[in-house]
Amino acid sequence: AQSVTQLGSHVSVSEGALVLLRCNYSSSVPPYLFWYVQYPNQGLQLLLKYTSAATLVKGINGFEAEFKKSETSFHLTKPSAHMSDAAEYFCAVSDSSGTYKYIFGTGTRLKVLA
Amino acid sequence: GAGVSQSPSNKVTEKGKDVELRCDPISGHTALYWYRQSLGQGLEFLIYFQGNSAPDKSGLPSDRFSAERTGGSVSTLTIQRTQQEDSAVYLCASRQGTGANYGYTFGSGTRLTVV
Repeated sequence: AQSVTQLGSHVSVSEGALVLLRCNYSSSVPPYLFWYVQYPNQGLQLLLKYTSAATLVKGINGFEAEFKKSETSFHLTKPSAHMSDAAEYFCAVSDSSGTYKYIFGTGTRLKVLA
Repeated sequence: GAGVSQSPSNKVTEKGKDVELRCDPISGHTALYWYRQSLGQGLEFLIYFQGNSAPDKSGLPSDRFSAERTGGSVSTLTIQRTQQEDSAVYLCASRQGTGANYGYTFGSGTRLTVV
């Protein structure tokens, strides 16, 4: 069975600093991995996805993530945080059954300090 | 439509009442999912519809929960005899294709409060 673990339920960074949000996965088959962002009172928006092509995936709003099979990781990064990046971020893995439902991590709330 | 539309956006109901939550997916998206987002539980899968296939109901927490999808489009999630633990945000998502590499598009959710 697939699972994801997000380390750190809350992360604070200063504006302009590097953003690093951690996600580790467990999967018995090559995984499909996703990062979503949720702004207050909104649904989840797809940031980027890994689908076994390039291991470095670029997404929207300057975010990127690198798939590292040896470390079973898919950490999300952004070189320079903006105030508008403050939100909750979810890592997800698609299950290997025909439903392709997502198994989500518990989320990381990012706070950006002025 | 341009996005996934959910209604109502907020619903307050008394314990024991039934509620219906509606999801209108993106036109042409064949897959539709319901998730529940609650404090301490994260995002939980509830049910999945794909075309005319039998739905995957494996995530429904009790027989008080049911869902249907009419005409392969609009879906309704029904909770009977609501309990306080049903209070959560219910999110609907649709997906264009049948492969795992297709991302979901989520609606803004329905915030359900059972008092």
